Amino acid sequence: GAVVSQHPSRVICKSGTSVKIECRSLDFQATTMFWYRQFPKQSLMLMATSNEGSKATYEQGVEKDKFLINHASLTLSTLTVTSAHPEDSSFYICSARSDRLTEAFFGQGTRLTVV
Amino acid sequence: GQQLNQSPQSMFIQEGEDVSMNCTSSSIFNTWLWYKQDPGEGPVLLIALYKAGELTSNGRLTAQFGITRKDSFLNISASIPSDVGIYFCAGHGEEGSQGNLIFGKGTKLSVKP
Repeated sequence: GAVVSQHPSRVICKSGTSVKIECRSLDFQATTMFWYRQFPKQSLMLMATSNEGSKATYEQGVEKDKFLINHASLTLSTLTVTSAHPEDSSFYICSARSDRLTEAFFGQGTRLTVV
Repeated sequence: GQQLNQSPQSMFIQEGEDVSMNCTSSSIFNTWLWYKQDPGEGPVLLIALYKAGELTSNGRLTAQFGITRKDSFLNISASIPSDVGIYFCAGHGEEGSQGNLIFGKGTKLSVKP
């Protein structure tokens, strides 16, 4: 299957700082990337969908100024958690899909801890 | 919006036993996907189903796309300890593959050696 690489896998930051998470498709062009948040023992919650070269579409209740998404190329999307607070601590996962693939492939996830 | 009901929520089985889990929807789905997630990792695609009635196997895993297009099941035969994890069903609804994937709430599988 296609490979999606997410970095970093774990990050600890101080409250008030910003954190950037990268999601790369390694062997295919990702026309669409998705960002999810997952709380312990729960399913994946879609935060936003981004198409290459366009502004991201955010799900209801997700603050776009808080969670900045950039999808500037067909192989890279970034999620920046701005002015992070402890309640932003969570597991963030990206997935990527191309026009030629029906399936979405997931990154390894990023465990964010805000202290 | 469209929702998937996945059951059971959790399962505790003995190594060697067969496992079955399923997902149902109140509306039609065009694609059914089954993922497995290990702790601290992203979901990994196990099986993808594209046509009603389709039955697909991947090793000890078998999944079917229900005829009504409103349900799918995943079977695991002769379970082993490494089958432990959370299994998610997912699918594309009315928008087809251009729409967002909708996820079930997951089935947590525990296997006792």
